[in-house]
Amino acid sequence: EVQLVQSAAEVKKPGESLKISCKASGDSFTSFWIGWVRQMPGKGLEWMGIIYPGDSDTRYSPSFQGQVTMSADKSINTAYLQFRSLKSSDTALYYCATTVAAIYHFENWGQGTRVTVSS
Amino acid sequence: DSVLTQSPGTLSLSPGDRATLSCRASQSLRNRYLAWYQQKPGQAPRLLIYAASSRATGIPDRFSGSGSGTDFTLTIERLEPEDFAVYYCQQYGTSSFFGQGTKLEIK
Repeated sequence: EVQLVQSAAEVKKPGESLKISCKASGDSFTSFWIGWVRQMPGKGLEWMGIIYPGDSDTRYSPSFQGQVTMSADKSINTAYLQFRSLKSSDTALYYCATTVAAIYHFENWGQGTRVTVSS
Repeated sequence: DSVLTQSPGTLSLSPGDRATLSCRASQSLRNRYLAWYQQKPGQAPRLLIYAASSRATGIPDRFSGSGSGTDFTLTIERLEPEDFAVYYCQQYGTSSFFGQGTKLEIK
């Protein structure tokens, strides 16, 4: 079974950039896709997009296209979610999760990274 | 745009009861690509059911999924105290998104 460990909570100011990480262990990093899910405070789950670490093939939800960048470094089994210019509306809990196909159900989840954007 | 609508928003039941949660898609889901997750406060979601009716590894058989087309159901038999949580459905395949969730609370 794959284990996912996400980076620690972040507190940032509007306009700053941020890159959060998701490190996988327990299985070959190129045998699954990694997706990202947003959960705003007190709200439900939102599918952001997904990346295949083997070749960095990436699919974004239309709602998040252009707002974030997903990447992966297979040499260190780590996926990333990058924000170029944070807004207060980016305040949320971000989960990474694995899936066996591009747009599929999520099997294993990270513990989440809480991002707070406030001036 | 496709939408997933879960009902009810909140379900109040007692331990030992049966819970029936609904998820309705605005368009028919090919291959019954519908999953259910459980999320407890302060925890990441946990996969319960995929492909509408297949239980994920380690999920008790008290949890069952059914449905096809646009109407899907998650049934939890003999509710245990640890089952009280928020439940989300997710459609996947050509696109993916989640329903808004059903909160299962103790009556």
